[in-house]
Amino acid sequence: EVQLVESGGGLVKPGGSLRLSCEASGFTYSNYSMNWVRQAPGRGLEWVSSITSSGAYLFYADSVKGRFTISRDNAKNSLYLQMKSLRVEDTAVYYCVRENVYDISTGYYMAFVDWGQGTLVTVSS
Amino acid sequence: DIQMTQSPSSLSASVGDRVTFTCRASQSISNSLSWYQQKPGKAPNLLIFAASTLQSGVPSRFSGSGSGTDFTLTISSLQPEDFATYYCQQSYTTLYTFGQGTKLEIK
Repeated sequence: EVQLVESGGGLVKPGGSLRLSCEASGFTYSNYSMNWVRQAPGRGLEWVSSITSSGAYLFYADSVKGRFTISRDNAKNSLYLQMKSLRVEDTAVYYCVRENVYDISTGYYMAFVDWGQGTLVTVSS
Repeated sequence: DIQMTQSPSSLSASVGDRVTFTCRASQSISNSLSWYQQKPGKAPNLLIFAASTLQSGVPSRFSGSGSGTDFTLTISSLQPEDFATYYCQQSYTTLYTFGQGTKLEIK
């Protein structure tokens, strides 16, 4: 059974920093790209960042570029999100998400197949 | 970035109804589109990928169609457990984007 367990959320003041962690189990972690997706209270889903299986390629939403850094440790089956210069609008539940690539007759397709339970980050003075 | 627009933003329906949700991309995304269901307080759940391929374990009353810029998710006969919020998501580019969601409520 795939499990993704996030930790590290909490209350932080604007301008502050926080580091989220996600511990993965139940699959060969080093084979998969991983993502962070967030959801502000009462709002929709927003993709935040992704990292390829080896960690060689990193991608960020414009809203967090230059402030957030995604990383992974394949030896520890762990994913991280270092968040700096936090803003009130970064308040959200942050989900750790496993990305799968499906090989079907018409080509290769990606989808977010497994999600953690989420960790709440609150940015407030 | 590719913008995804869902309509309607909310929908009221009854058990047994057939319902259709729409998702439109700001540019062509071929069929690189997924649909997710989210219930209150829970993480989203993958329903459909590649616009029309049902994820393993998802009931066959769910179906997806479309390509290019216009996509639909259909539930053929609503069950009580289907009342939730539904999101589309494009994976045509690595800057993935979601639609704003459609909330399906009980009439």
